[in-house]
Formats: sequence, structure tokens, C-alpha cells
Amino acid sequence: GQQVMQIPQYQHVQEGEDFTTYCNSSTTLSNIQWYKQRPGGHPVFLIQLVKSGEVKKQKRLTFQFGEAKKNSSLHITATQTTDVGTYFCAGLSRGQAGTALIFGKGTTLSVSS
Amino acid sequence: NAGVTQTPKFRVLKTGQSMTLLCAQDMNHEYMYWYRQDPGMGLRLIHYSVGEGTTAKGEVPDGYNVSRLKKQNFLLGLESAAPSQTSVYFCASSYGLAGGLHEQFFGPGTRLTVL
Repeated sequence: GQQVMQIPQYQHVQEGEDFTTYCNSSTTLSNIQWYKQRPGGHPVFLIQLVKSGEVKKQKRLTFQFGEAKKNSSLHITATQTTDVGTYFCAGLSRGQAGTALIFGKGTTLSVSS
Repeated sequence: NAGVTQTPKFRVLKTGQSMTLLCAQDMNHEYMYWYRQDPGMGLRLIHYSVGEGTTAKGEVPDGYNVSRLKKQNFLLGLESAAPSQTSVYFCASSYGLAGGLHEQFFGPGTRLTVL
């Protein structure tokens, strides 16, 4: 079945440094979603990308969808302590059991001030 | 609006015991989902429902059953709990099929420990 892989699994940065997490799929994705989960919290939707090569920005966050729609990235410029958490990408899977969202294992970001 | 709520927040079971986790949403969403989250494993879909009275299996359905008798509620049952089911369980809902241009809204989670 479809797999969604994220790298790195963990990343520690100093406050002010940039951070990037990558999401790769074994198959072409119709679209991809990104979620953030703060420590002890629940996942919260950040954004959805649909078009090949799409780039979207949310303040210091930049999201990209690959031209082949098999990969995506989230880049945070000048990290802050409020960026701490785990970032998940999720892609649509069409399998025998039906169609559902498959999550990557996430990238956990820690930021030291 | 309360959004998505889950009951209980914490639970400790002994091996072989049964329990039901309740998820409720007040957003009139058609789709509801149950995930489990284990360290380093991300979110894995257990079962989901595309509407009242319908359910479907996800990635890891074994050992769990679900029911969607009312549109706003989605129940997850463990008939005979095993230590491998120790996890944090999240319920989520969405207007349409998540990934089909609809975001998922998650509940606060239920932390289950099976001894």
C-alpha cells in the first residue's frame, strides 16, 4: 500500500535558525495536508496543497508540493520556541479498505533559546 | 461549539477487559475517524465512517470494533484489551473525505494503558 515517509524524525535547532521537514510518498498524491501537534496536544490542521509545484506561505512557514506530486516540504524561517512540536504530513490513500488519509510518522522539532 | 470531544481522557485496563471510547462532534460532519498514536509511529487509522450507519476498516483494525449509530457520535470498542493496545487514541471528523479538500478536526485524545 501507499506509504508516506518523513525525514528527519527529530530536529533540534537554536532559536532563529531555519528548519525543514520533508515528506515523500511511494505513489502520486492527489493532495497533501500538513498538521502540527504540540507536546501533549492533538494534531491541528495547517494547510493543504493540491496543485503540482504549489507553494503556500503562512507567515514564517513555507509549504511546497513537488512537481511530480510525490513529495512535499515544510520550511520554517527563523524558528521560535512556539514552533516546538511534531509536524505531520498526510496523503490520500486509495486501498482495498477504501480511501483514507495516511499520515507520515512526523518530524519532532525542538527549539532552544 | 465544543468541536470534537472524547470520553474518557484517561483509562487503565487489565488484560482481557473491555471498554468503549466515545467521540462526539457538534460540527455536523459526515466523516469521522479513529486513530492510535504510538511513539515514533505517527498516527495510524483504525476505523473510519463516511456517514451514519456506515463504517470501514483502516490500517490497523484488528482488536477494535466501531459503531456510528448517530451522525454526531463514533464509538470505538475494545472487546478484550491487550497490552499492545496501550496507546493514545484520537478521534477526528471532517466535512467530507479528508484529503479530498477537507481538513480533519481532532479531539483531545484518550490515553489508554492496558496492564
